[in-house]
Amino acid sequence: KAGVTQTPRYLIKTRGQQVTLSCSPISGHRSVSWYQQTPGQGLQFLFEYFSETQRNKGNFPGRFSGRQFSNSRSEMNVSTLELGDSALYLCASSLAAFDYEQYFGPGTRLTVT
Amino acid sequence: DQQVKQNSPSLSVQEGRISILNCDYTNSMFDYFLWYKKYPAEGPTFLISISSIKDKNEDGRFTVFLNKSAKHLSLHIVPSQPGDSAVYFCAASGGSGKAAGNKLTFGGGTRVLVKP
Repeated sequence: KAGVTQTPRYLIKTRGQQVTLSCSPISGHRSVSWYQQTPGQGLQFLFEYFSETQRNKGNFPGRFSGRQFSNSRSEMNVSTLELGDSALYLCASSLAAFDYEQYFGPGTRLTVT
Repeated sequence: DQQVKQNSPSLSVQEGRISILNCDYTNSMFDYFLWYKKYPAEGPTFLISISSIKDKNEDGRFTVFLNKSAKHLSLHIVPSQPGDSAVYFCAASGGSGKAAGNKLTFGGGTRVLVKP
């Protein structure tokens, strides 16, 4: 069974631009979560989607948004990019509504210049 | 407010010996704990987990111990192998009850180096 895939793997953007990252969960998984990893803040929860509904959101500004499609694929969007948004963005999927064992993709490395 | 803490940023151990990684948490509502291993440029890989109703879970070379009264968990790797060299994260879930969904709260990580 294929794992979680994320595209693109690497991205360079300029301050003020916006970016969309994509995540395809493991087949059959219905929950998708997004995390941001930075050297200073570690791994921080962004948001989680289940059956196209956002169930939970971390402490991030409204510039960070996401959505989930009917096939469970998910996208996250960051508008008006700031230098501090440079990070590894990780997507994780799990099978069910309350299934804490999450499986991570390789991440998208975003660099904002 | 860091609810999950790994106080040792790094650990060096000889091949074949035991690696012990520690993790402390403050939120008494956490009810499920996980350990992940991460190599550079890869996503975290799930290792082992434990429910708050247990105090020990074992899977091959990996054992996780949970002490609820102390709000402390540890991961034991026996014997340690060079391929175990990675960053290890502990994570907790259930911190807001069911409203937390599948949200995981991570510790800061411990970098393990296993020397041949």
